[in-house]
Amino acid sequence: QKEVEQNSGPLSVPEGAIASLNCTYSDRGSQSFFWYRQYSGKSPELIMFIYSNGDKEDGRFTAQLNKASQYVSLLIRDSQPSDSATYLCAVMLHFGNEKLTFGTGTRLTIIP
Amino acid sequence: EPEVTQTPSHQVTQMGQEVILRCVPISNHLYFYWYRQILGQKVEFLVSFYNNEISEKSEIFDDQFSVERPDGSNFTLKIRSTKLEDSAMYFCASPRSKGAQTQYFGPGTRLLVL
Repeated sequence: QKEVEQNSGPLSVPEGAIASLNCTYSDRGSQSFFWYRQYSGKSPELIMFIYSNGDKEDGRFTAQLNKASQYVSLLIRDSQPSDSATYLCAVMLHFGNEKLTFGTGTRLTIIP
Repeated sequence: EPEVTQTPSHQVTQMGQEVILRCVPISNHLYFYWYRQILGQKVEFLVSFYNNEISEKSEIFDDQFSVERPDGSNFTLKIRSTKLEDSAMYFCASPRSKGAQTQYFGPGTRLLVL
């Protein structure tokens, strides 16, 4: 069973601080990793994706991948109240098998 | 600007009835996916559709489910005889461009089976 694990939270972070969200995956063959944000009652919204070990930055967001440890993380700098949402980690096995396997999500609350 | 559109936004049906959920992807996309999310649970893959054929389906996607591309512009997910446990949000997803791995989700259809 190929699993994606996330701490369900809730994770509370003061406004302006760094929020750190973590995800582990079980299938070593996984190639691509995605972070989605989901507001209550809405569809998942893609924030970032990462394929290679290391860091990838996009604005206030940084995705980190460590394939040896089977670990993906998302850092949100200068957290805003609008960042309050559930963050979903998703894993794609490889190109040609593009189904996404999702974690249960981490609920993040930014405290003004 | 939505990547894909879905109709209806909400559907209420009686157990045993057939429902058809519709999705209009970005034009000319060949790859297409359906996912579902039961309230409070994780997003689950149902089926992928490539070039008018199912390329992969999950264990959830049993004989009660079918996907079609009735014309060149939209896709449908049909549930033949709905069960209470089919109540969920159903999302379609599509990449922005050919060969891209990133999937963009439609707004979803909330299905409630009574």
